Amino acid sequence: RKEVEQDPGPFNVPEGATVAFNCTYSNSASQSFFWYRQDCRKEPKLLMSVYSSGNEDGRFTAQLNRASQYISLLIRDSKLSDSATYLCVVTGRGSSNTGKLIFGQGTTLQVKP
Amino acid sequence: DGGITQSPKYLFRKEGQNVTLSCEQNLNHDAMYWYRQDPGQGLRLIYYSQIVNDFQKGDIAEGYSVSREKKESFPLTVTSAQKNPTAFYLCASKDRGQGYGYTFGSGTRLTVV
Repeated sequence: RKEVEQDPGPFNVPEGATVAFNCTYSNSASQSFFWYRQDCRKEPKLLMSVYSSGNEDGRFTAQLNRASQYISLLIRDSKLSDSATYLCVVTGRGSSNTGKLIFGQGTTLQVKP
Repeated sequence: DGGITQSPKYLFRKEGQNVTLSCEQNLNHDAMYWYRQDPGQGLRLIYYSQIVNDFQKGDIAEGYSVSREKKESFPLTVTSAQKNPTAFYLCASKDRGQGYGYTFGSGTRLTVV
């Protein structure tokens, strides 16, 4: 079983739609959680950290359910520029001192006009 | 502006050659990481370093070597022992503390010819 699992998609949605991505992780000891965005043939860029209480940044909302080891990302009012691959990222085993992050394979979003 | 610089952007390697990928950061981060990304897959950790003159193997270290003689620099050598080196290589650095994600360089695309 992969340490971080995501549905690879692609998710094809019209502009203005609301879309949700889910992610599960296997290490119950993980402490930090992130969503990264990666454009085609580019490096990943931090989209937002994910906190236990849930957090929102404009049109983006992230939720964490530690009991179910589940992370979600909700994008409201999708824009064409949101088209990208979204990577779910968690801290790995023993990472409290190493900072190692474990990446999911990503979920691809394509927003259509 | 602070950031991470990877060079070259594209690199072609002949069979049996060693090649070195450069990674330099001016963010004053202690920890640095090398990841490999293959099409349709998540990032896999090759090597990481938490402090100068110290580094650790990641999940796929075979066929690679690194050095960390300066805080700012963490070069990766892809040796002839790496049988499938064609991939997108990403260098990252991280600030101290649990809650911080990575900052990535723009990547090096290595192709065996």
